[in-house]
Amino acid sequence: DTEVTQTPKHLVMGMTNKKSLKCEQHMGHRAMYWYMQKAKKPPELMFVYSYEKLSINESVPSRFSPECPNSSLLNLHLHALQPEDSALYLCASSQQGQGGTEAFFGQGTRLTVV
Amino acid sequence: GQNIDQPTEMTATEGAIVQINCTYQTSGFNGLFWYQQHAGEAPTFLSYNVLDGLEEKGRFSSFLSRSKGYSYLLLKELQMKDSASYLCAVRGGDSNYQLIWGAGTKLIIKP
Repeated sequence: DTEVTQTPKHLVMGMTNKKSLKCEQHMGHRAMYWYMQKAKKPPELMFVYSYEKLSINESVPSRFSPECPNSSLLNLHLHALQPEDSALYLCASSQQGQGGTEAFFGQGTRLTVV
Repeated sequence: GQNIDQPTEMTATEGAIVQINCTYQTSGFNGLFWYQQHAGEAPTFLSYNVLDGLEEKGRFSSFLSRSKGYSYLLLKELQMKDSASYLCAVRGGDSNYQLIWGAGTKLIIKP
């Protein structure tokens, strides 16, 4: 199983809503990532979890709140988003430790904030 | 600073060969990745280079020269489905987890 599964695939939310994005992998990877990608731009790293601990937070606004309940799951809680937060949100995972293994990406959640 | 450069767009003909170049300047280096991304979809892994030389995988090959900070992705026998963006990414900088991404090269295949 070389799959990273993200739900939902599409999400439309208002600026006062609270929603969560979910990500799951069963490859035994101990590093998991959240990226945001806007049209015609490369993915931008938001958060990295290593062994279920937050290891990188790329100065992401607090309206984005990550959570790693266990080694297979990664959530991104959304609250009071702005229209400019509309983007493709990508989850990825890779093996722990030194480089040399690729990151596997989920299919993403297309988020629209209205 | 961290910088990765690749052409914005390239056009090639079905059945032909195309080479997409990537140059990088990063504070560290622990491998270079090429990903393919179709519009609206997630990136999919194509290749990884950490040592100098050529890695071949079917119709796709990737080359790395660490001394020159240079890589290329070579696509042979182009098919219409190869129309996509190709992203060069370097694992470097201060973290083993962080990928520094190029802006991507949009490849257009014409019949």
